[in-house]
Amino acid sequence: QSVLTQPPSVSAAPGQTVTISCSGSSSNIGNNYISWFQQLPGTAPKVLIYDNNKRPSGIPDRFSGSKSGTSATLGITGLQTGDEADYYCGTWDSSLSDGPYVFGTGTKVTVL
Amino acid sequence: QVQLQESGPGLVKPSQTLSLTCTVSGDSITSGDYYWSWIRQPPGKGLEWIGYIFFIGSTTYNPSLKSRLTMSVDTSKNQFSLKLTSVTAADTAVYYCARDSYLGIPFDSWGQGTLVTVSS
Repeated sequence: QSVLTQPPSVSAAPGQTVTISCSGSSSNIGNNYISWFQQLPGTAPKVLIYDNNKRPSGIPDRFSGSKSGTSATLGITGLQTGDEADYYCGTWDSSLSDGPYVFGTGTKVTVL
Repeated sequence: QVQLQESGPGLVKPSQTLSLTCTVSGDSITSGDYYWSWIRQPPGKGLEWIGYIFFIGSTTYNPSLKSRLTMSVDTSKNQFSLKLTSVTAADTAVYYCARDSYLGIPFDSWGQGTLVTVSS
């Protein structure tokens, strides 16, 4: 059972904006950088956002990340059919000395 | 461009040991800039971080799997491996290997994943 909670699903029409929340605690989101991953059907995850709000080369600026306290948010603007995927947040959990990396519960984005 | 490829049996019997290898091309495991990680995903479920190994052999494991887990690295073959003992049906998952930069982009490269089914 993941310690990072995300909504199971979000949906919107093409061109619109969706936001995905990721809720944690002081031992994970509150004191560590967060990343966001996109998993298209049948493929391996791909990092979209790291260090809370940085985008790797090649990731369009339609994707954005933010963090406040023990929560984080992924935003997708100008939604496209190709954005239909599962999205996961992830960060280190410092509750143990060798805290595990933890992923969120995952959110399915549907483009209507 | 770095590529990672998982290999190993797709079917393991309950109570036996699951063994997988990840072959890295396009980068050297000994470059020292990365942790080499394993992540799994049960069918229809979310991601679970298993652990990572550094090229000198130091490891960090998920506490939930630590008692059954061993990771190793073969620098001569540019490979790293995973052994998970006493498997049950709950260990059925797609297993991914991934490169994790501790100074840069986490999990920036992934293998395609390999499905391991635990069944008699």
